[in-house]
Amino acid sequence: GAGVSQTPSNKVTEKGKYVELRCDPISGHTALYWYRQSLGQGPEFLIYFQGTGAADDSGLPNDRFFAVRPEGSVSTLKIQRTERGDSAVYLCASARGANTGELFFGEGSRLTVL
Amino acid sequence: GNSVTQMEGPVTLSEEAFLTINCTYTATGYPSLFWYVQYPGEGLQLLLKATKADDKGSNKGFEATYRKETTSFHLEKGSVQVSDSAVYFCALSSGTDSWGKLQFGAGTQVVVTP
Repeated sequence: GAGVSQTPSNKVTEKGKYVELRCDPISGHTALYWYRQSLGQGPEFLIYFQGTGAADDSGLPNDRFFAVRPEGSVSTLKIQRTERGDSAVYLCASARGANTGELFFGEGSRLTVL
Repeated sequence: GNSVTQMEGPVTLSEEAFLTINCTYTATGYPSLFWYVQYPGEGLQLLLKATKADDKGSNKGFEATYRKETTSFHLEKGSVQVSDSAVYFCALSSGTDSWGKLQFGAGTQVVVTP
C-alpha cells in the first residue's frame, strides 16, 4: 500500500514484558515521527528521525523507551519493562523531509498493558 | 512552553449547519498552525495549515485564519455534511524545530446527523 503501515494494530501484554512496535513509512520519506496518544488526549511527540539518526528524542518519557531506524526506512519503537501507564495508541508518521509541513500518519498500534 | 487549547466535544450538529471549533495557542516566536482530522477507522490527516499571521488555510470547505493578535486559529465550515463526522485536532509547530514536531490540542469530536 501507499500509506504508513503500523504493526501490530493491537497488542495486549502483561506488566513487565518487553514490546516492539513497527512502523513502515511511505517510500522515499526521510523523516519519521513517533507519537503517543492516550485516551481523550491529542498525540504527544516522542521522537523523530531524519534518515537513520534520531534527530530529536526529547519526548521519550524515560529510558524504558527506545526507537531505531537502522536503514532509514522501517522504524521500531521498543518498550522495556512495560507499565500500565504505557497503555496508549502509538502513532507513527512520515514526511518527505523535516520541514515539508505535512505528516502522513498510520492508523496506530494500540498497546494495552495488563 | 507551547500549548494548544481547543473546545471540548462532542459537538453535535444537523447536516447543513455552520460549524466552528475554537482553538487558541500559546507559543514563543512564530509558530505554524495546523488542523488535522481523524475520520473513523483512519489515521490522522492534514486538513489545512497556515504558516504566518493573517494567512488563511482552506480545504474541503473548511477555513481557518491565523490570528496573532488573539492567538487563535478557529476552524469553520459553512455547511457540514454527515461525512464531516470526525475528530478534529488543532496543532502547532514551533518553527525552530522540525515542522513535524507538533503540539496537539486534545481534539474535538464532531457528530453530524442527517
